Amino acid sequence: DQQVKQNSPSLSVQEGRISILNCDYTNSMFDYFLWYKKYPAEGPTFLISISSIKDKNEDGRFTVFLNKSAKHLSLHIVPSQPGDSAVYFCAARTNQAGTALIFGKGTTLSVSS
Amino acid sequence: DSGVTQTPKHLITATGQRVTLRCSPRSGDLSVYWYQQSLDQGLQFLIHYYNGEERAKGNILERFSAQQFPDLHSELNLSSLELGDSALYFCASSPTGTGNYGYTFGSGTRLTVV
Repeated sequence: DQQVKQNSPSLSVQEGRISILNCDYTNSMFDYFLWYKKYPAEGPTFLISISSIKDKNEDGRFTVFLNKSAKHLSLHIVPSQPGDSAVYFCAARTNQAGTALIFGKGTTLSVSS
Repeated sequence: DSGVTQTPKHLITATGQRVTLRCSPRSGDLSVYWYQQSLDQGLQFLIHYYNGEERAKGNILERFSAQQFPDLHSELNLSSLELGDSALYFCASSPTGTGNYGYTFGSGTRLTVV
């Protein structure tokens, strides 16, 4: 039973345009959401996060939106750059002891110049 | 360099064998998490240690075990290996036991079972 779902395995975008990566979750106890980026032969690196008490968080070209009623979050990258080409993982956690970050399967973003 | 060190980077072994993967967390981090990434799968949580004590278990097989030592490094032991155990194994660390600050990942160990 996947609690965090990234239904699009891949996304292709042209340089300069917006990239929108989506993530759905099923556990209403999740209170913190994170996006990680992964390049080949490297471990995932933290990109941006959002608390469940917010609906938007911005960091430069990256913005994460959270829609709690729909149990949906999205990552917007504007403008997209070729260096953004990577696998993006959505992750979530509850505030309960004895739990860890739950990750989606990832979306491979390809930005062409 | 994330500060989380995983060794070895690559490991090729035969079915039925036993291997040990090692992880040194970022300086000051007390928590170590182990994840498995198989083909077409996301990061599957295996186990979490905080300051030497097991805190949480995920989808970890009985053939797998882990421990965290007093110097906070951790080892993941995989035994009676099967072809399906071939995967990337990531270690991550965080300062606390709750992961409030997110995790810092190592670059992984690629295990190939032949």
